[in-house]
Amino acid sequence: GQSLEQPSEVTAVEGAIVQINCTYQTSGFYGLSWYQQHDGGAPTFLSYNGLDGLEETGRFSSFLSRSDSYGYLLLQELQMKDSASYFCAVTKADSSYKLIFGSGTRLLVRP
Amino acid sequence: NAGVTQTPKFQVLKTGQSMTLQCAQDMNHNSMYWYRQDPGMGLRLIYYSASEGTTDKGEVPNGYNVSRLNKREFSLRLESAAPSQTSVYFCASMRGSQETQYFGPGTRLLVL
Repeated sequence: GQSLEQPSEVTAVEGAIVQINCTYQTSGFYGLSWYQQHDGGAPTFLSYNGLDGLEETGRFSSFLSRSDSYGYLLLQELQMKDSASYFCAVTKADSSYKLIFGSGTRLLVRP
Repeated sequence: NAGVTQTPKFQVLKTGQSMTLQCAQDMNHNSMYWYRQDPGMGLRLIYYSASEGTTDKGEVPNGYNVSRLNKREFSLRLESAAPSQTSVYFCASMRGSQETQYFGPGTRLLVL
């Protein structure tokens, strides 16, 4: 089977750094993506790792290690607006390019 | 450029009723997807269409049918709604091999 595991909830203070981990049991995927979803909203794309290593996009960074079946999303200089759910997802390595999502991590940023 | 649009935004059905959820994208994307999201959970793939004229089952296809009407539009039909289909439904699109999927605003469906 295929599964991605994330912590269900993380709490952090405004201005701090937080890391959201994602471990997976799947094979044959192109890369690992991260999506953000605010309550009542649609998922929006944050970051993608096609290769092992770190990708940086502004305050957000994402990391992938295929040998460890592990990835993470790093959020720096946390802001209140970062309070949301964060989902990791793998892109299946077939012609469908379909995403398999983890169950999500709810991030609460406190003042 | 509206991106991905979905109609309706909200719908209440009685058990056994049928309805069609509409999705359209104006980004000239090849692939389109239907997901459902239950409270506190991730998204589960119902059906997808890798290109115009093709559709395939995803993780949870039972109780649903789809139509890829043209490159822009991908509809999801519930033939006989059940309370277990109460969920938020998201449509998404992607251009071929790109890693980013763009999501519509969702349809909130309540089946009584």
